[in-house]
Amino acid sequence: QVQLVQSGAEVKKPGASVKVSCRASGYTFTTYDINWVRQATGHGLEWMGWMNPNSGNTGSAQKFKGRLTMTRDTSKSTAYMELSSLKSDDTAIYYCARGPTLGWFDPWGHGTLVTVSS
Amino acid sequence: QSVLTQPPSVSAAPGQKVTISCSGNNSNIGNNDVSWYQQLPGTAPKLLIYDNYKRPSGIRDRFSGSKSGTSATLGITGLQTGDEADYYCGTWDSSLGLVVFGGGTKLTVL
Repeated sequence: QVQLVQSGAEVKKPGASVKVSCRASGYTFTTYDINWVRQATGHGLEWMGWMNPNSGNTGSAQKFKGRLTMTRDTSKSTAYMELSSLKSDDTAIYYCARGPTLGWFDPWGHGTLVTVSS
Repeated sequence: QSVLTQPPSVSAAPGQKVTISCSGNNSNIGNNDVSWYQQLPGTAPKLLIYDNYKRPSGIRDRFSGSKSGTSATLGITGLQTGDEADYYCGTWDSSLGLVVFGGGTKLTVL
């Protein structure tokens, strides 16, 4: 079955960077975009950006431009999301999700909790 | 403040029907397809409806979606206690240049 498996929880200090991985299985990795969505505790969903694993092209919400880097390793069917200059309000669960360009998201990874604390 | 507006909560008795609304504008819902997600407590969101009304494989026909103008609606019939979850609508916003979600609706099955 189609599955996205994410890396484990991270604790980072303000100003640091975090890199989360998302390993895909059950389908051809290069045929769908990988999106990143985050959710702060008790809050709703916030879309961060997308990456085309075939071309490496990316797009992101203006809010994250300059801080968000999305990459992939097609040999490992794995996408990566790196967020830099972390602040306390970046504390959230980060999800990767498969989907057509700017369309629906299915499935979602199980989520990676990133805690930013001094 | 979410770009798409959903009611914070809805409730109904087991076996009954409920609808959840999602309101936007011509930059988002009015000109783009809507998807709906179910998030059970402590889990990742799950796709329920895509392209306004289509159900992915494995999603029961108790779940339905519709769109009219700048609003979309999720319907759930034959409510079960296992349907208690947060429900989110989402779509592309061509003016803002990002995917937008509603603030989420908490469904309680009384």
